[in-house]
Amino acid sequence: GESVGLHLPTLSVQEGDNSIINCAYSNSASDYFIWYKQESGKGPQFIIDIRSNMDKRQGQRVTVLLNKTVKHLSLQIAATQPGDSAVYFCAEKYTGNQFYFGTGTSLTVIP
Amino acid sequence: DSGVTQTPKHLITATGQRVTLRCSPRSGDLSVYWYQQSLDQGLQFLIQYYNGEERAKGNILERFSAQQFPDLHSELNLSSLELGDSALYFCASSVGPRTGPDTQYFGPGTRLTVL
Repeated sequence: GESVGLHLPTLSVQEGDNSIINCAYSNSASDYFIWYKQESGKGPQFIIDIRSNMDKRQGQRVTVLLNKTVKHLSLQIAATQPGDSAVYFCAEKYTGNQFYFGTGTSLTVIP
Repeated sequence: DSGVTQTPKHLITATGQRVTLRCSPRSGDLSVYWYQQSLDQGLQFLIQYYNGEERAKGNILERFSAQQFPDLHSELNLSSLELGDSALYFCASSVGPRTGPDTQYFGPGTRLTVL
């Protein structure tokens, strides 16, 4: 079956540095991607999305890059803050509105 | 706050029992999705309802069932519970099928513990 995977299960960064979280997807027909943030004890929170007809999308301190050639997605967080510590999931959509999620990357921000 | 509510927050029960989890979608959303998240696992899609009708089915066990009511709230029923059913159960809602992306917004989840 199709899978959404993450390159690194954990990531530690110094406060103020930039963070990059990567995600590989396997279905070239996926046309929409979302990054979610999940803090301990809470539900996933929408961060940013990107359609397959785009390469890059910027939000507030976050940027998502999509490389369809190698089926790779990344989330960049600028000036990482302690409040950014969480698990980050990428999700891809390719069948109706059904999403497939990766297992997540745990980001720890070191003060 | 996503606008999606789930009750209860925590549920502790015994093997063989049956429980019902409840979800109220965001105002205006017609689609409801149920997910299971086990320890160290990603979100596993269980089932989707749109305006009262089942829309898509994922890895949902036969012991599990769901429905969406006319007021659009949804319930997930888990029966003959096993230890392995212990997990976080999330509900998400979206506006509904339409052209283009239809972002899902998640509730806070129900933590189920089966003893």
